[in-house]
Amino acid sequence: AQSVTQLGSHVSVSEGALVLLRCNYSSSVPPYLFWYVQYPNQGLQLLLKYTTGATLVKGINGFEAEFKKSETSFHLTKPSAHMSDAAEYFCAVSEVKEKLTFGTGTRLTIIP
Amino acid sequence: DTGVSQNPRHKITKRGQNVTFRCDPISEHNRLYWYRQTLGQGPEFLTYFQNEAQLEKSRLLSDRFSAERPKGSFSTLEIQRTEQGDSAMYLCASSQGQGGGYGYTFGSGTRLTVV
Repeated sequence: AQSVTQLGSHVSVSEGALVLLRCNYSSSVPPYLFWYVQYPNQGLQLLLKYTTGATLVKGINGFEAEFKKSETSFHLTKPSAHMSDAAEYFCAVSEVKEKLTFGTGTRLTIIP
Repeated sequence: DTGVSQNPRHKITKRGQNVTFRCDPISEHNRLYWYRQTLGQGPEFLTYFQNEAQLEKSRLLSDRFSAERPKGSFSTLEIQRTEQGDSAMYLCASSQGQGGGYGYTFGSGTRLTVV
């Protein structure tokens, strides 16, 4: 069965600093991996996804993530945090079926 | 393309009442998904449709829940005899192909509060 663990329910970084949000997954088959962002009282917006091919994936708003099979990880990074990045971030895994399994989320706070 | 639309955005209901939510997916998307998100948690899968056929239902979808997608267009999610534990954000999403491969486009959700 697929599952996702997001380490750190809350992460705070200073504006301009590196953002690192951690995600580890469990899957019985090669997974598809996703990062979504959710702003207050909104639905989820797709940031980026890994399916096959290049393990470093670039997404919107300057975010990127690297699929590391040996570590079963898919951490999300951004070189320089912006105030508008404050939101909740969800990692999700799919075993190439219809449904996604989401982690419990990481709330990112940006310190001015 | 106006995205995925959900109505209402907020619903407050008394325990025991029935409620119905509507989702209008992106028009060319043949898959439609319902998820539930409780406070502090990630979304949990409830059910999905391919065109008008409901192909999978989660164990979370008790007998009080029913979903339909007539004619493969909009979908409704009805909860009968609501309970306080039903309070959550109900999210709808759509996808052109398998959502687990392509990723979904989510709507803004319907927040249900049962008092």
